[in-house]
Amino acid sequence: DGGITQSPKYLFRKEGQNVTLSCEQNLNHDAMYWYRQDPGQGLRLIYYSQIVNDFQKGDIAEGYSVSREKKESFPLTVTSAQKNPTAFYLCASSYRGEAYGYTFGSGTRLTVV
Amino acid sequence: GDSVTQMEGPVTLSEEAFLTINCTYTATGYPSLFWYVQYPGEGLQLLLKATKADDKGSNKGFEATYRKETTSFHLEKGSVQVSDSAVYFCALTPSAAGNKLTFGGGTRVLVKP
Repeated sequence: DGGITQSPKYLFRKEGQNVTLSCEQNLNHDAMYWYRQDPGQGLRLIYYSQIVNDFQKGDIAEGYSVSREKKESFPLTVTSAQKNPTAFYLCASSYRGEAYGYTFGSGTRLTVV
Repeated sequence: GDSVTQMEGPVTLSEEAFLTINCTYTATGYPSLFWYVQYPGEGLQLLLKATKADDKGSNKGFEATYRKETTSFHLEKGSVQVSDSAVYFCALTPSAAGNKLTFGGGTRVLVKP
């Protein structure tokens, strides 16, 4: 079955370390997105990519980086420059076009220890 | 810019009660409108959508009608179950501007037996 997979589900990081969150989809979607969700809060867009080898900053890109070398994959790196990285991270994908909704992964909960 | 406003929660109901979650939006043109549901510890799932004025989206007993005159997309369900306890997000994609979703802040719904 087609879907979008995020790994790992739980991740612990020491302060000052970079960490990469994986997101893979086999839905043949063109666009992929990364969101951050804090407890009891809505979703904030970090980065998005409409096509391979191209991506744009969202509303809270500082302290994060991404790459889009393959259509299926959109990894997110949380760098040591991110001041408050503990959060729930959600990856999503979609076809291009405003009438399509997103398919979300099950999320990665990152905790800085 | 585009924005989505939802009623603040939590909304606490008894089983078999009627549920309404208000959602209003600000956008130019004719956006597509969505409702997503998030169960505890999971990603978001598309619940229903409407892509033009007066369209009604429906799924799993939930309904929402795209009202351009009032810029609203209120979610309703006639008889809720305990399993409907979740966080509900209203969202839009602006027309002719790609498919970048703008989310509301989410409304937590708790259904008690």
